[in-house]
Amino acid sequence: GAVVSQHPSWVICKSGTSVKIECRSLDFQATTMFWYRQFPKQSLMLMATSNEGSKATYEQGVEKDKFLINHASLTLSTLTVTSAHPEDSSFYICSASASREQYFGPGTRLTVT
Amino acid sequence: KNEVEQSPQNLTAQEGEFITINCSYSVGISALHWLQQHPGGGIVSLFMLSSGKKKHGRLIATINIQEKHSSLHITASHPRDSAVYICAVETSGSRLTFGEGTQLTVNP
Repeated sequence: GAVVSQHPSWVICKSGTSVKIECRSLDFQATTMFWYRQFPKQSLMLMATSNEGSKATYEQGVEKDKFLINHASLTLSTLTVTSAHPEDSSFYICSASASREQYFGPGTRLTVT
Repeated sequence: KNEVEQSPQNLTAQEGEFITINCSYSVGISALHWLQQHPGGGIVSLFMLSSGKKKHGRLIATINIQEKHSSLHITASHPRDSAVYICAVETSGSRLTFGEGTQLTVNP
């Protein structure tokens, strides 16, 4: 089946630094990728929708200057958390869409100290 | 009120039991997804439904569009089925809205 990878799987960074998370579709091309955030004991929340070659569409309440999304190719989207703060600590998950199916990455656990 | 409501929030069963998890939604949808999330966080897509019923192994998913309700059934449950099961509805542009999840624990 279709595989989506994320890198890194976990990262610890200091407050004020930036962190980049990669999402790759390994064996298929994804015109659309989605970025989600999940806080402990809560469900996933959609942050943004990313289409290859165009600007991402952010959900209400998500700061586009803080969460930079780049979808440079049909197999790669990146999420950069800029000037990270402890409240950005969360589990970030991407999914890639192909033929109406969505395939989820394994997630990236971000801890900001 | 959430757009997607799941019940129960927590479910404990003995190995071999038949399990049902319910999902109700309040918006118009193009499809409904059932997902499984293991303790490490990884998510697996189990089913995508727009009508009727689907079966995969011991898992069965049904949807009633008129009643805006879906159920996920697990037959002959096993401890390895222990996970969080999440219902998500797909609206415009393939956007997913998620339920709170059901924590299932199957004891041997």
